[in-house]
Amino acid sequence: NAGVTQTPKFQVLKTGQSMTLQCAQDMNHNSMYWYRQDPGMGLRLIYYSASEGTTDKGEVPNGYNVSRLNKREFSLRLESAAPSQTSVYFCASSELYGSGNTIYFGEGSWLTVV
Amino acid sequence: GQQVMQIPQYQHVQEGEDFTTYCNSSTTLSNIQWYKQRPGGHPVFLIQLVKSGEVKKQKRLTFQFGEAKKNSSLHITATQTTDVGTYFCAGKGWRETSGSRLTFGEGTQLTVNP
Repeated sequence: NAGVTQTPKFQVLKTGQSMTLQCAQDMNHNSMYWYRQDPGMGLRLIYYSASEGTTDKGEVPNGYNVSRLNKREFSLRLESAAPSQTSVYFCASSELYGSGNTIYFGEGSWLTVV
Repeated sequence: GQQVMQIPQYQHVQEGEDFTTYCNSSTTLSNIQWYKQRPGGHPVFLIQLVKSGEVKKQKRLTFQFGEAKKNSSLHITATQTTDVGTYFCAGKGWRETSGSRLTFGEGTQLTVNP
């Protein structure tokens, strides 16, 4: 089982460039998430999709957009990258949102904005 | 908003010593989850606690949920080098109107000297 797969694993961007992080899960989960992880800050939720067809802002949505393309795929877009967006990004999924379900994380995408 | 605070931020131990990390919430939690992230890896689910005063064990790991359901702890007995990583707690708010958002603590980074 692949679980949660995200690409690319590493990316260097120049300030102002745009890019999309792709994520797919093969567990038939309803809910998907994008987190960012910065040293000493834990995991902060950027956006989530409780179910196919819905998306909502998390704690730190500014500068990002998301698309729930279908039940499997949830992409994160940086329209105009800034150095403050240098971080490790994790896509994740769970069977349901709003209950005590296990969250399964992808392996992470290391993004550097110069 | 709900905050989940975790202490300590860092802990260095000698192999064989015990280790404890504490998680405290500003609000009552419906449940709490614990995750482990190895260096360079992604968070992996360890366990979920639901009941007040609940204690669960996984080999050398003991997880406890406070009586008031506002705090939790993870205790590792006789640490091994394989225990190295960052341990996160994550709590769901009891009355959150936004759908029981899962909030992660900042994590405790454990290093073990052989």
